[in-house]
Amino acid sequence: AQKVTQAQTEISVVEKEDVTLDCVYETRDTTYYLFWYKQPPSGELVFLIRRNSFDEQNEISGRYSWNFQKSTSSFNFTITASQVVDSAVYFCALSEGNYGQNFVFGPGTRLSVLP
Amino acid sequence: GAVVSQHPSRVICKSGTSVKIECRSLDFQATTMFWYRQFPKQSLMLMATSNEGSKATYEQGVEKDKFLINHASLTLSTLTVTSAHPEDSSFYICSARDWGLADVDTDTQYFGPGTRLTVL
Repeated sequence: AQKVTQAQTEISVVEKEDVTLDCVYETRDTTYYLFWYKQPPSGELVFLIRRNSFDEQNEISGRYSWNFQKSTSSFNFTITASQVVDSAVYFCALSEGNYGQNFVFGPGTRLSVLP
Repeated sequence: GAVVSQHPSRVICKSGTSVKIECRSLDFQATTMFWYRQFPKQSLMLMATSNEGSKATYEQGVEKDKFLINHASLTLSTLTVTSAHPEDSSFYICSARDWGLADVDTDTQYFGPGTRLTVL
């Protein structure tokens, strides 16, 4: 069965610091998708990124960047120059197969950005 | 595109009553919808997967007679918590996935805003 590990339960940083959230996954499928979602205090899940297993290119979107390394089964997420509004729980997720079945979430990392 | 709504956003009920939660895909047809439950400070746990026009598939440990799921149309799925008890109090989140629209990422689940259920 597939598995997603987010070893950091909680992280606190001061505004403007950079922070990296770790995600390690396990799967036997060669085709799979990785996701990051943000869950602010309101509870709604906000989709941040999707990456398929055949695309190892790193991605940058504004202050957000993602590092996908199949060799270490990791899909880490970095926030540059963090802001208070980044405070939320961040979930890494994995789905397997060509149609994204068997969707599983990691336990989440609670990020607190202090002013 | 890819907006999913849930109603109600918050519900408080007495023990023993039934509660219905609606999940709608507003701008796409959701052939598959998912229901998750999230307890405080925990991750999301998949409860069931529903495909339009067929019976839902429940995850191990989820009572299908207690959590009734209906996916009668391509834009609406409902979750009914029957004879709710305090231990059913949780945050329930639905998500939807579409196979057809070109501008909707068919490999991504789009989540509703969630429904917070409190059973007294």
